[in-house]
Parts: sequence; C-alpha cells; structure tokens
Amino acid sequence: AQSVTQLGSHVSVSEGALVLLRCNYSSSVPPYLFWYVQYPNQGLQLLLKYTSAATLVKGINGFEAEFKKSETSFHLTKPSAHMSDAAEYFCAVTSPGYSTLTFGKGTMLLVSP
Amino acid sequence: SAVISQKPSRDICQRGTSLTIQCQVDSQVTMMFWYRQQPGQSLTLIATANQGSEATYESGFVIDKFPISRPNLTFSTLTVSNMSPEDSSIYLCSVALNRDSGEQYFGPGTRLTVT
Repeated sequence: AQSVTQLGSHVSVSEGALVLLRCNYSSSVPPYLFWYVQYPNQGLQLLLKYTSAATLVKGINGFEAEFKKSETSFHLTKPSAHMSDAAEYFCAVTSPGYSTLTFGKGTMLLVSP
Repeated sequence: SAVISQKPSRDICQRGTSLTIQCQVDSQVTMMFWYRQQPGQSLTLIATANQGSEATYESGFVIDKFPISRPNLTFSTLTVSNMSPEDSSIYLCSVALNRDSGEQYFGPGTRLTVT
C-alpha cells in the first residue's frame, strides 16, 4: 500500500518569501512522486514529477522538489513567493506500472502582500 | 500532455435524480479515471474507466451508484445515480498517456450540488 502525508493544511507566506510545502510518502516499492496545483474552481495541473532520474526536479512556475529516499520526503520549494502562487497543492504517489495515484490531503498556500 | 474537457462544468440537482458527466480528451489515451473531491478534501479515486469492458471500482464505490461508460479511447461518462446531498462534490476526469509514467492529466472538474 502507498500513502502520502502533507504536513500543514495551510501555509502562509509573504510575497517574496521562501515557499516550503512538505510531503512524506510511504511505499513498499520505488515510488514515482508528483506535485499538482489546483487554482480556485479549476482542475489539477501537474507542477513536477520524480520518476527515478535526477533527485532534484524542476517544475513550472519556478517550483522544484527534492526526492530524499532516506527521509521518504519530496518537499516542494520556491525561492520567492508570488501572489499568483496562492492555490492548493497536492502531493501524489504511484509506482512504475501501477496506474493509480494516491493523493495527500493537500496544502493551501496563502500569499500575503 | 492532453487537453481534457468536461460537461457540465457545474450543476445543481434535486435529491433522487441522476446526473451524467461527460469527459472528452483531444487524443486517444490508454487509461481514464474518475475522481471525487468532496468540499475541502483531497481526491478520491472512484474508478478506472476501461475501454470495451466494465469499469474497475475502488473500495466504497459501486457500479449501481456510479455507472461508467467508455465507448472509445477519447470519451467517458460518469453517472451519479439517485443523488443525495452527500454526493455534492467536484467530480474530476483524468487520463494517463501510458501506464509506465504514472503521470495523469486532469479535466477542469464538474461541481455538483445536490439539494
């Protein structure tokens, strides 16, 4: 079985500050890991993915995440928050050849001026 | 990637009625999925829509309540039957271009309110 834990249902940052959204996973097989973003009243958009290549993954909109096997983590970061980053972020896990995704509960990112 | 559209984008329905949600993809895809996102919650997989055969349902979801069709590789429907207020959710369609990547692309969702 696979699972994802996102620490913090809400994270608040000031514009220009570092964004750190935490994701820890549990998987008995090598995982594939994803971060998705959901803007209000929209579907999910893929931000970035880890599929066993480079452990530091760069995504869209300046986001990146680092896969740390020893910590079973895949935290999402962005050096400088922008107002447009305010949204809900979901971490998800699957494995090679296993088609379904398991999602975390999501973290709402709030950005203040 | 893939471009996915859903109809309707939102609806308000009375309890006891049924609603069919359509999902259209701009290219042929191997796998299609239906998710439910209850208010303030994460995504829960309802079923995998299989082309040419019955959908594969996750624990807690049954065909009588959520019948799914997939007549071809670009289209699927999800019906929410005999609705109750507890069915008020966002229903999302997603597709996977291949099984090995694990990557899924999502439609914009259908926001359903049951009164």
